[in-house]
Amino acid sequence: GAVVSQHPSRVICKSGTSVKIECRSLDFQATTMFWYRQFPKQSLMLMATSNEGSKATYEQGVEKDKFLINHASLTLSTLTVTSAHPEDSSFYICSAQPELRGEETQYFGPGTRLLVL
Amino acid sequence: SQQGEEDPQALSIQEGENATMNCSYKTSINNLQWYRQNSGRGLVHLILIRSNEREKHSGRLRVTLDTSKKSSSLLITASRAADTASYFCATDRGSYIPTFGRGTSLIVHP
Repeated sequence: GAVVSQHPSRVICKSGTSVKIECRSLDFQATTMFWYRQFPKQSLMLMATSNEGSKATYEQGVEKDKFLINHASLTLSTLTVTSAHPEDSSFYICSAQPELRGEETQYFGPGTRLLVL
Repeated sequence: SQQGEEDPQALSIQEGENATMNCSYKTSINNLQWYRQNSGRGLVHLILIRSNEREKHSGRLRVTLDTSKKSSSLLITASRAADTASYFCATDRGSYIPTFGRGTSLIVHP
């Protein structure tokens, strides 16, 4: 089956620093990747849609200058949380949609737990 | 905004029993998907049911869809302790972008 990896799995950083999270599709090419945020016992909230070779599309209320997304290749998207603050602490999950036409299923990474002190 | 809402929010059963979770949504959909999430982990896709389908099976899972009532159910038969997880329904918004509900937390006691 399709595998998506995320790195790191967890990160602790100081307030004001930037953190980069990588999302990779390991055995398929993904034109589109998605970034979600999940608070404890809550649903996944879509932050942005990342398209290879173009600018990401951000959901309403998500600051594009705070959450920088780069989809440099068909297998890699990165999310950088800039000048992180404690309220950015959360579980960040990416997903990737295979390039195949008509593929409706997304494949999710294992998530990255961010703690900002 | 959230589209799907699962019910109940939490479910606790004994191993061997069946677990039923429901999902209601508000607008018309192309398809509805159920996912599973173990604590602190990513999501695993369980099953997709299209708007023109009424029932689908996969192993011990049975999903129904009633578009007239805008609802779906996930039945796990003969539950096991390993089924303990959170279960989410997700409806698509077009372009295959799922919108998730809050999930049902299932605990199966051995």
